[in-house]
Amino acid sequence: AQTVTQSQPEMSVQEAETVTLSCTYDTSESDYYLFWYKQPPSRQMILVIRQEAYKQQNATENRFSVNFQKAAKSFSLKISDSQLGDAAMYFCACTSGTYKYIFGTGTRLKVLA
Amino acid sequence: EAGVAQSPRYKIIEKRQSVAFWCNPISGHATLYWYQQILGQGPKLLIQFQNNGVVDDSQLPKDRFSAERLKGVDSTLKIQPAKLEDSAVYLCASSSRRTPKDGYTFGSGTRLTVV
Repeated sequence: AQTVTQSQPEMSVQEAETVTLSCTYDTSESDYYLFWYKQPPSRQMILVIRQEAYKQQNATENRFSVNFQKAAKSFSLKISDSQLGDAAMYFCACTSGTYKYIFGTGTRLKVLA
Repeated sequence: EAGVAQSPRYKIIEKRQSVAFWCNPISGHATLYWYQQILGQGPKLLIQFQNNGVVDDSQLPKDRFSAERLKGVDSTLKIQPAKLEDSAVYLCASSSRRTPKDGYTFGSGTRLTVV
């Protein structure tokens, strides 16, 4: 069985600063995928970034990057140059490539002006 | 391209009543998912369709929940009778592939409150 743990219920960051959201996971699969989703008050889940477990290189999407530590089963999200529009719930998710996502409990990110 | 459409956006019902949610996925997406998101938790998969066939409904409380996807396009999720613990956001998502490694596209969800 897969599990995903987000230990930070809430984080705050000053506008233009950098923040890191933590995620740990557990899976017995050798081939799996990790995701970060953003959920603003509109409730729509938006894909932020994706990492294939077989790739050693950390994924990057503009201001968003991950620190993927496979041995430690850690998958943190770094947001650089934080903007007010980044304020949302962030969910870490894992799938073994079948079909089911396992989500963490989420981290609420507040961006302070 | 148009996104995943869901309706209604909000619904308040009394316990033991019935309720139905509707989802229209992105055109051409063969795979459709219904997730339940209870406040303070991450989404949990209820059911997955591939075209109009069920792939996984292992976490669907079948004594009260039902879902269908006629003609492999729109889908409805029904709860009958509702319980207080069914209060949650119900998210619909779709993908063009059976495997979600490329990520889903989610709708904005229906917030259900059972009183």
